[in-house]
Amino acid sequence: DSGVTQTPKHLITATGQRVTLRCSPRSGDLSVYWYQQSLDQGLQFLIQYYNGEERAKGNILERFSAQQFPDLHSELNLSSLELGDSALYFCASSVDPGQGIRNTIYFGEGSWLTVV
Amino acid sequence: AQSVSQHNHHVILSEAASLELGCNYSYGGTVNLFWYVQYPGQHLQLLLKYFSGDPLVKGIKGFEAEFIKSKFSFNLRKPSVQWSDTAEYFCAVNAGNSGYALNFGKGTSLLVTP
Repeated sequence: DSGVTQTPKHLITATGQRVTLRCSPRSGDLSVYWYQQSLDQGLQFLIQYYNGEERAKGNILERFSAQQFPDLHSELNLSSLELGDSALYFCASSVDPGQGIRNTIYFGEGSWLTVV
Repeated sequence: AQSVSQHNHHVILSEAASLELGCNYSYGGTVNLFWYVQYPGQHLQLLLKYFSGDPLVKGIKGFEAEFIKSKFSFNLRKPSVQWSDTAEYFCAVNAGNSGYALNFGKGTSLLVTP
C-alpha cells in the first residue's frame, strides 16, 4: 500500500458524460500528480499541483481539469468524454518539491475509466 | 520530440536467468532517471533512481541500473530473476528543466517461468 488513495477504482460511463476522479495523497505529501495510462499512449503526465497551486502541466486535454483542495486531496474532472478517454488514471504524491525531483513519487492504484 | 524508449515489450525468462531491460531517452541536458515496477494488480513502485554521481545505481530487490550518458541509456539489470519478479517495468525520465513531470516509456512486461 503506497498510502495514495484513489476513488473510484472502476467507472463505466457513456460518451459525452462528465466524471470526477478523486485522490487522497499520502499523509504529509503536498504535491499531487495525475497520469493517464492507455494502451496506445502509455503512461502520460497530465498535471501537478503543489499545496493547492498548479505547478506543472503536461499533455492534459482542455476537456480535463484538476484542482487540489485545502485538505490536499485532488480531483481530476473529465468532461465531454470520448471513447479514447478510456484509460487507467493514476494519482501520485510526493512530500515537498523543496528537493525537487529527488523526492520519491508514490503512486496510487489507479482509477479505471471505461467510456462506452 | 523528447521520448523514452523501452526496446523490449515482452520478455520471458526462466528463474535464475539474468535480466537486462533496455531504456533509451532522447533528452539533452541534465536528466533524472528512474525505473518503476508494477506487480500484477498493484500500484507503481520505485525500483531505483539516478540523479548524479556513480552511474551504477543499486535499487531494491537486487536490481541495478547503469547510466551511460554517451549512449543516452539507463538499462535495468538483475543477475538472477525469480518468479516473483513477474511484473511490468517502466523506465522514466525527468528532464532537468521540466519541473517534476516524469516521462515514461511504454513499459516491458516480464514473465518469469518456474
